[in-house]
Amino acid sequence: EAGVAQSPRYKIIEKRQSVAFWCNPISGHATLYWYQQILGQGPKLLIQFQNNGVVDDSQLPKDRFSAERLKGVDSTLKIQPAKLEDSAVYLCASSSSQTYEQYFGPGTRLTVT
Amino acid sequence: TQLLEQSPQFLSIQEGENLTVYCNSSSVFSSLQWYRQEPGEGPVLLVTVVTGGEVKKLKRLTFQFGDARKDSSLHITAAQPGDTGLYLCAGARTVNKLVFGAGTILRVKS
Repeated sequence: EAGVAQSPRYKIIEKRQSVAFWCNPISGHATLYWYQQILGQGPKLLIQFQNNGVVDDSQLPKDRFSAERLKGVDSTLKIQPAKLEDSAVYLCASSSSQTYEQYFGPGTRLTVT
Repeated sequence: TQLLEQSPQFLSIQEGENLTVYCNSSSVFSSLQWYRQEPGEGPVLLVTVVTGGEVKKLKRLTFQFGDARKDSSLHITAAQPGDTGLYLCAGARTVNKLVFGAGTILRVKS
């Protein structure tokens, strides 16, 4: 079974530029998550999708971050414009509807200069 | 406010030593999970515990869920360099909703 795929793996941009990350979850997993992991901290949930609907985006900075999962499969997370404090690893995870376990992709390491 | 407190934050030990990592909260969780994360990779699930007092073993790793389902511990016997990584605990109050601790960085020296 293929795992969660993410791209790109690394991205370096200047502040005020925009960036987009892509995630393809495990086949059949209805729930998709985007997390932000700042160095030295645990992952923090940004947004959770159930199929193509948003379940929780309470911690998403909506003035600059947006995410979509149009067909209920893969998803994109966008930051526009980026700030220095957005430097972090952005993790995508997926899970089936009836389980506690989440499966993570390798993450995208974003550096904002 | 950190719902899950992990301790210690950092642990450096010699190969062959034993260690215990703790995960504590004032909140009750339906389940608690432990993940291990290596540099440049995403967290990998090690175990899920759901019953108060539950003990699970995974080779040299022993996981315990507190009786009140507010805390957990991870014990590693005879640590090896391959155990090096960031150990994260994550609590779930409902299915599909996890809260992560800040993690314990473990370094095992050969």
